[in-house]
Amino acid sequence: EDKVVQSPLSLVVHEGDTVTLNCSYEVTNFRSLLWYKQEKKAPTFLFMLTSSGIEKKSGRLSSILDKKELSSILNITATQTGDSAIYLCAVPYSGGGADGLTFGKGTHLIIQP
Amino acid sequence: DAGVIQSPRHEVTEMGQEVTLRCKPISGHNSLFWYRQTMMRGLELLIYFNNNVPIDDSGMPEDRFSAKMPNASFSTLKIQPSEPRDSAVYFCASSLAIGAGGITDTQYFGPGTRLTVL
Repeated sequence: EDKVVQSPLSLVVHEGDTVTLNCSYEVTNFRSLLWYKQEKKAPTFLFMLTSSGIEKKSGRLSSILDKKELSSILNITATQTGDSAIYLCAVPYSGGGADGLTFGKGTHLIIQP
Repeated sequence: DAGVIQSPRHEVTEMGQEVTLRCKPISGHNSLFWYRQTMMRGLELLIYFNNNVPIDDSGMPEDRFSAKMPNASFSTLKIQPSEPRDSAVYFCASSLAIGAGGITDTQYFGPGTRLTVL
């Protein structure tokens, strides 16, 4: 059974700090790993990673995949209160075509002013 | 683009009643997914469709749950009869599966329907 584990489950930091969120996965036929940000509403897409060692970046957020370690990290630098959210990691099911996603439980990030 | 549209946004019903949740995927997307989110279990896939055909419904918890996709722009998730343990936020998501091996896994989520069964 495919599995996604995120750590930490929650994290409280001060504005301006840098945070690193972790995701590890077990999947039969790995194809990609996705990061989502969920505030009070629906998850919104951040990154999709397919290749090991290639960093994807969007503003203060960046993410990288390590296929050897079966893991990914999401970094947020110079955090702001607006970064407070649940960050979800997901991998597609092991079939072909468009598949459902297996999600981790998420990291609840709280940025204090 | 309006994004994925779900209705209703909130539903409060009594145990035993039938509940129907609706979803309109992003125009042009050919894959549609229904998820359920609870505090205890997180986000779980219930069922998904490719080109209106159900592909995997192994996540549907019981026979009380059913889903249909009569056309490319509409899907329903029905619970009959509803029970208090069905209370959750139900998300619909859509994506574009490109043929000839060009797969995109990025799914776009609707705002969700918060269901409360009393």
